[in-house]
Amino acid sequence: SQTIHQWPATLVQPVGSPLSLECTVEGTSNPNLYWYRQAAGRGLQLLFYSVGIGQISSEVPQNLSASRPQDRQFILSSKKLLLSDSGFYLCAWRGLAGVVNEQFFGPGTRLTVL
Amino acid sequence: KQEVTQIPAALSVPEGENLVLNCSFTDSAIYNLQWFRQDPGKGLTSLLLIQSSQREQTSGRLNASLDKSSGRSTLYIAASQPGDSATYLCAVSPGANNLFFGTGTRLTVIP
Repeated sequence: SQTIHQWPATLVQPVGSPLSLECTVEGTSNPNLYWYRQAAGRGLQLLFYSVGIGQISSEVPQNLSASRPQDRQFILSSKKLLLSDSGFYLCAWRGLAGVVNEQFFGPGTRLTVL
Repeated sequence: KQEVTQIPAALSVPEGENLVLNCSFTDSAIYNLQWFRQDPGKGLTSLLLIQSSQREQTSGRLNASLDKSSGRSTLYIAASQPGDSATYLCAVSPGANNLFFGTGTRLTVIP
């Protein structure tokens, strides 16, 4: 069966510091991978998605970037964090077979920028 | 742009009641609609997915319906239990990758 991991689970960072959040998927090959952010009182917003190694699509302009160095690894980064980057970050995957765009989510990372 | 609304934002019911959660969306051109459950501080658990050609899906005590033409979906929970307490999110998919989420309904089932 497929599993998705995210780390760290919780992170507190000062404004202006760098960020690296990691997501890995097991039990599937060539998945589509996604980064979402859930800000307080708001719905989930898609930040980035990737259909393959080195292929990144950005949905919204922002202070963050994403990379996919390996088939089942997706990284969310920032060079300098802003207060507005605080939120709950969720990684998700979708297989290419089966139901169109049924996404499965990881446990999330709670980021607090102070 | 697709907008997804969930009403009510919060709901409290006594254990054993049947209940309905509502989801509406503005653009009926969707591929599918997915219902999720989110426990506090946790990730999302997929409950049901309805493809655009379907009208409903069932899993155990859960039944989700879809009326694409009117832009509505409902999640019916039968015989609610305290363990059903969580936030329920609906999300619509306009294509291969994006999901547009509602802000959720926070359900509390009182023992």
